[in-house]
Amino acid sequence: NAGVTQTPKFRILKIGQSMTLQCTQDMNHNYMYWYRQDPGMGLKLIYYSVGAGITDKGEVPNGYNVSRSTTEDFPLRLELAAPSQTSVYFCASSTQGFEQYFGPGTRLTVT
Amino acid sequence: DAKTTQPNSMESNEEEPVHLPCNHSTISGTDYIHWYRQLPSQGPEYVIHGLTSNVNNRMASLAIAEDRKSSTLILHRATLRDAAVYYCILLSGYALNFGKGTSLLVTP
Repeated sequence: NAGVTQTPKFRILKIGQSMTLQCTQDMNHNYMYWYRQDPGMGLKLIYYSVGAGITDKGEVPNGYNVSRSTTEDFPLRLELAAPSQTSVYFCASSTQGFEQYFGPGTRLTVT
Repeated sequence: DAKTTQPNSMESNEEEPVHLPCNHSTISGTDYIHWYRQLPSQGPEYVIHGLTSNVNNRMASLAIAEDRKSSTLILHRATLRDAAVYYCILLSGYALNFGKGTSLLVTP
């Protein structure tokens, strides 16, 4: 099993550009999550999904959108990138909230 | 959300036991106590979780106070690879609420 994979690993965006962060898991987990981590801080939840077709907002959803058309994939869309979205983004999955498995992260810089 | 309080940092010698404390005085009856750790430049990694009873797994032990207002993560023999930030998190729904955690330094 590859576990949770994320692409790209690094990205530099200009202000106002858009991009999609990809996340795929091969563990057949129903629950998937997107977190962001700012320097020196803990992770904050952006969006989560409890199954295909079901998504919900987390603590910091503004400026982001998600979709969940399959069990495996949970892409995160950034529209109109802003410097405040410079962060490391982690995707995670789990069977039911417990034992979340995290991907390696995407380091995003918006300038 | 119920909050946890952890020391900012701790230091341990290699091959000695480490006890990482966590206070959660406002814990509710349905909150599970979770521990994750994050090695430098990596995503968080699940360590252990429990509800009321002490728990053991291959990575660590979790000791939960009888009133559940505090818990302790025990690494039985610290190695250099255990140097990480350790997060104590209360989970009552789906999402983890990460604080700043405890940065563990392990010295040879």
